[in-house]
Amino acid sequence: AQTVTQSQPEMSVQEAETVTLSCTYDTSESDYYLFWYKQPPSRQMILVIRQEAYKQQNATENRFSVNFQKAAKSFSLKISDSQLGDAAMYFCAYRSGQNFVFGPGTRLSVLP
Amino acid sequence: NAGVMQNPRHLVRRRGQEARLRCSPMKGHSHVYWYRQLPEEGLKFMVYLQKENIIDESGMPKERFSAEFPKEGPSILRIQQVVRGDSAAYFCASSPLEVYRGHTEAFFGQGTRLTVV
Repeated sequence: AQTVTQSQPEMSVQEAETVTLSCTYDTSESDYYLFWYKQPPSRQMILVIRQEAYKQQNATENRFSVNFQKAAKSFSLKISDSQLGDAAMYFCAYRSGQNFVFGPGTRLSVLP
Repeated sequence: NAGVMQNPRHLVRRRGQEARLRCSPMKGHSHVYWYRQLPEEGLKFMVYLQKENIIDESGMPKERFSAEFPKEGPSILRIQQVVRGDSAAYFCASSPLEVYRGHTEAFFGQGTRLTVV
C-alpha cells in the first residue's frame, strides 16, 4: 500500500524568508502524481503545486517550488519570500490511478 | 463551473441520532472521495465512489457508516447512531474520470463540521 510521510508536524519561518517542508512516500508504481495542498484556517483545501512523476523538471508556481527526487521518493516544498498568508496546514499527497493518499500534514507558522 | 459543494457546513447531532452529509461534485466529475479530519490531524481516507459504485471503502468504519453516490443527485455519507468520537470535519473531493487527460488533482469541498453533543 502506498504511504505518505511528513516528518515535520510543525514548522515556522520568518516573514520574507524561505522554508522547506519535507515529504516522502512509498510506492512500487512508476507512473504517479504528487501534490501539495494548503489548508488555511478557513479549512478550504487549496492546491498549491503538482508534479508528474515522469517529468524530471521540478515544478514551480511563483514563490512555490518542489524538489522531486524520484529515486529517493522525496517531494519537498520550498516556499520563498514567505508571507503571512502562507500560514496554514500543508498536506503532501500522492496519486496513482484513482488512489489518492495524503500525508498527516505540517503546520506552518509565519512570524512577522 | 461551480466547485465541489458540501452541505451542511455545520451539523450538530445528539448522540444516537443520524447524520447525513451531502456532496455535489464538480460538473463532469464522476469520482468522489470522502475524508475525515480530526482536530489537529491530517486527512484520513474513508471511501472512494463512482456513480452507483463503491470502489474502495477500506477507510470506512465497519459499523454505522455508509456512503452512496447515486446515478442522480449528490453523494451521501451517512452516519447512524452518532457518538462523540464521530465529531470531525468531513471533506468530499471529486475528480474527473481519467487521470491521463491532464486533470489529475482532486478538488475539495469546504467540508462539513460535525459536532456530536
